[in-house]
Amino acid sequence: EAQVTQNPRYLITVTGKKLTVTCSQNMNHEYMSWYRQDPGLGLRQIYYSMNVEVTDKGDVPEGYKVSRKEKRNFPLILESPSPNQTSLYFCASSLTDRMGDSPLHFGNGTRLTVT
Amino acid sequence: RKEVEQDPGPFNVPEGATVAFNCTYSNSASQSFFWYRQDCRKEPKLLMSVYSSGNEDGRFTAQLNRASQYISLLIRDSKLSDSATYLCVVNDRYGRQLTFGSGTQLTVLP
Repeated sequence: EAQVTQNPRYLITVTGKKLTVTCSQNMNHEYMSWYRQDPGLGLRQIYYSMNVEVTDKGDVPEGYKVSRKEKRNFPLILESPSPNQTSLYFCASSLTDRMGDSPLHFGNGTRLTVT
Repeated sequence: RKEVEQDPGPFNVPEGATVAFNCTYSNSASQSFFWYRQDCRKEPKLLMSVYSSGNEDGRFTAQLNRASQYISLLIRDSKLSDSATYLCVVNDRYGRQLTFGSGTQLTVLP
């Protein structure tokens, strides 16, 4: 089954403790992206990647890191999480970076709480 | 001003009603437009793309007005299963970044 898999689904952590949210897609998609969703603000892009070893900042990259060493994986790293990073996170992938040609496929989401 | 603005609702309509949502965008160079649907606590899913000439998919009709920089979604004969949040999405001029509206919440009542 074609899908985007994120783990974990739920994560509660403390300020400053490094964490990684994994994202993997099995559709051989070139484009991958991370979003956070907060009430009243909608989905905001954190980072995106157009292919292996190519990553770019989105609208809200501060406090986050990503890597794209393999085509299928795009982990999101929070080196020192803070409470303002409490949010619902979505990973998404698309066949190409030309959004008019192919839709975004989203993972199930990761609900992160930083205390 | 937000790049993509939607009326958050909530819209509560009876089954069988026709409901319309509008969305405005600020970047006149935007190239592509979409409606995504998001059920409670779930991931967004593409509902339909929006083409310049307008397009229809069953009970759903999407329209684009470039001059006024807004897009619309019309749902006819609403079903209970249409209850969801509808996200307006706009693509930047380079085709690489999508900007999402904060969504319009629809509840269809029996």
